Amino acid sequence: DAGVTQSPTHLIKTRGQHVTLRCSPISGHKSVSWYQQVLGQGPQFIFQYYEKEERGRGNFPDRFSARQFPNYSSELNVNALLLGDSALYLCASSPNPGQTVFYGYTFGSGTRLTVV
Amino acid sequence: AQSVTQPDIHITVSEGASLELRCNYSYGATPYLFWYVQSPGQGLQLLLKYFSGDTLVQGIKGFEAEFKRSQSSFNLRKPSVHWSDAAEYFCAVGGGSQGNLIFGKGTKLSVKP
Repeated sequence: DAGVTQSPTHLIKTRGQHVTLRCSPISGHKSVSWYQQVLGQGPQFIFQYYEKEERGRGNFPDRFSARQFPNYSSELNVNALLLGDSALYLCASSPNPGQTVFYGYTFGSGTRLTVV
Repeated sequence: AQSVTQPDIHITVSEGASLELRCNYSYGATPYLFWYVQSPGQGLQLLLKYFSGDTLVQGIKGFEAEFKRSQSSFNLRKPSVHWSDAAEYFCAVGGGSQGNLIFGKGTKLSVKP
């Protein structure tokens, strides 16, 4: 079985542009979460989606949005990019939100976003 | 508020030496604790987890961790480090207000030949 897949792997954008990152969870997992990892820091929670509904949101501005599709894949959108949005964006899947705290996540390899 | 502290930003050990990475947490209830490892340019791989039972937990790649409630600690150990263990290690606590994991800032491990 494929693990968590993210695309693209690398991306360079200009300040003010918009970006869409994509994630496909492990087969059978219905919950997808997004984390931002700035260089030298631990991952920070952005969103959690389950059954196409937002179940949690971290302390990020409204420029960040996400959605989940019927096949449980997910997109993370960031508008009006700032230099500070440069980071590794990680997608994580779990069977459902309730199991995350017990079993942890399975993470994808991430999308490296550079804003210039 | 829940938080995780990893006091050591960077640790260097010789190959074959023992390793202990420190993790302290702040959490109001019974914590669910995790250690992840991240190789350069990669995502995070789960090494081990604790949520109840035996306070000494075994993980993959020969790692173990001990939960000490009295010290609010969950330190990661390995008896003999291999060069391939060089990576960044993250401690995390589960059960954030959104059901998310809260990560520490990580400890970078370098291994000397």
